[in-house]
Amino acid sequence: QVQLQESGPGLVKPSQTLSLTCTVSGGSISTGGHYWSWIRQHPGKALEWLGYINNSGTTYYNPSLKSLVSISVDTSKNQFSLELSSVTAADTAVYYCARGRLVRPHKWFDPWGQGTLVIVSS
Amino acid sequence: DIQMTQSPASLSASIGDRVTITCRASQTISSYLNWYQQKPGKAPQLLIYAASTLQSGVPSRFSGSGSGTDFTLTISSLQPEDFAAYYCQQSYIIPPTFGQGTKVEIK
Repeated sequence: QVQLQESGPGLVKPSQTLSLTCTVSGGSISTGGHYWSWIRQHPGKALEWLGYINNSGTTYYNPSLKSLVSISVDTSKNQFSLELSSVTAADTAVYYCARGRLVRPHKWFDPWGQGTLVIVSS
Repeated sequence: DIQMTQSPASLSASIGDRVTITCRASQTISSYLNWYQQKPGKAPQLLIYAASTLQSGVPSRFSGSGSGTDFTLTISSLQPEDFAAYYCQQSYIIPPTFGQGTKVEIK
């Protein structure tokens, strides 16, 4: 069964770039019908979708963050990555990677990684 | 963006109670609605997709219904392991958006 695991720094300075990697195990990241996703959750608050990348390398980003977010995939390592630039304290959150599953016409997120807390502070 | 509004924000219930959580979309989303359960310190887990289809392995006491703008998640007989937060999410258009969550607590 597919499992996802986030990794990356837990502390980032304001104005710098937040970089996280998600390693996929138990299945190939190149499998069609999947959208490799990043979602964050501010402390005690709702979930916010950041974006995803499909097996063709096509990306979709949340318009609210579009100019700041970049998602890429490394099929040789079965990993995908998130970069969020010019971070502020408002970007402090738990960041999750998740597999977006497409069974036409429906999509959902399953499974999710365990999440990683990123704090933006000097 | 489509706004998803859940009610109530929290509820207290006893073991064995029937619990209902509602989710309303700011525009019609047909049946493009998913439900997740999140326990403290854990990632969300998929319960129901396409408004009413139970994810494999999820107990049958969970059910979902609705179409258009109004949806419901029902737990027919609340169990100790069901105390958690529940989120709805629309997949009708990008960006996918989530409700603010409903926290189910022990009475």
